[in-house]
Amino acid sequence: SAVISQKPSRDICQRGTSLTIQCQVDSQVTMMFWYRQQPGQSLTLIATANQGSEATYESGFVIDKFPISRPNLTFSTLTVSNMSPEDSSIYLCSVEYPGRAQETQYFGPGTRLLVL
Amino acid sequence: QKEVEQNSGPLSVPEGAIASLNCTYSDRVSQSFFWYRQYSGKSPELIMSIYSNGDKEDGRFTAQLNKASQYVSLLIRDSQPSDSATYLCAVNPGFQKLVFGTGTRLLVSP
Repeated sequence: SAVISQKPSRDICQRGTSLTIQCQVDSQVTMMFWYRQQPGQSLTLIATANQGSEATYESGFVIDKFPISRPNLTFSTLTVSNMSPEDSSIYLCSVEYPGRAQETQYFGPGTRLLVL
Repeated sequence: QKEVEQNSGPLSVPEGAIASLNCTYSDRVSQSFFWYRQYSGKSPELIMSIYSNGDKEDGRFTAQLNKASQYVSLLIRDSQPSDSATYLCAVNPGFQKLVFGTGTRLLVSP
């Protein structure tokens, strides 16, 4: 089965600082995505991480606030910049595997972020 | 109008009963539909995907899709207390992205 890991699993940060979250997959994947799940809410797509090019951001999310890297087909990072308490959330990466059911996404364990 | 709508619940059913979870979506061009289960404090776990009108069965789970009515449902037969979780409906409206509903909380009592 797919193995997707995220680091850190949780963190408590001070406002104004930045945190970089890593997502590592056990095999090469076609698509990688970053989501946010705020307390009591559903998942909201932040951006699609594109290998070798800039990420594609959803409405309401910008690169300056959420810079994303994807240096290869198994790894991506999401940085939450200049954090405020409103950024307290669970951040999830998801992937699509080549050869599996179309457009099916599998999620990592998530990173719980609390901003004070 | 929200793109994907679900009743937030909680939906309470006794052990052994059938739990019926419903989802409606607004974008008629949507082609792919998914149900995820999310336990408290955990990440979403894929249960079912469905792409064509009709029913799709996998063990105790049956997904039903009606594109004309823009309606997706998930039936859980012989519900167990371990099925207690939030069930998220997700729809792919195109462009390789998923739009999630707010989820329905299911409580199965022993």
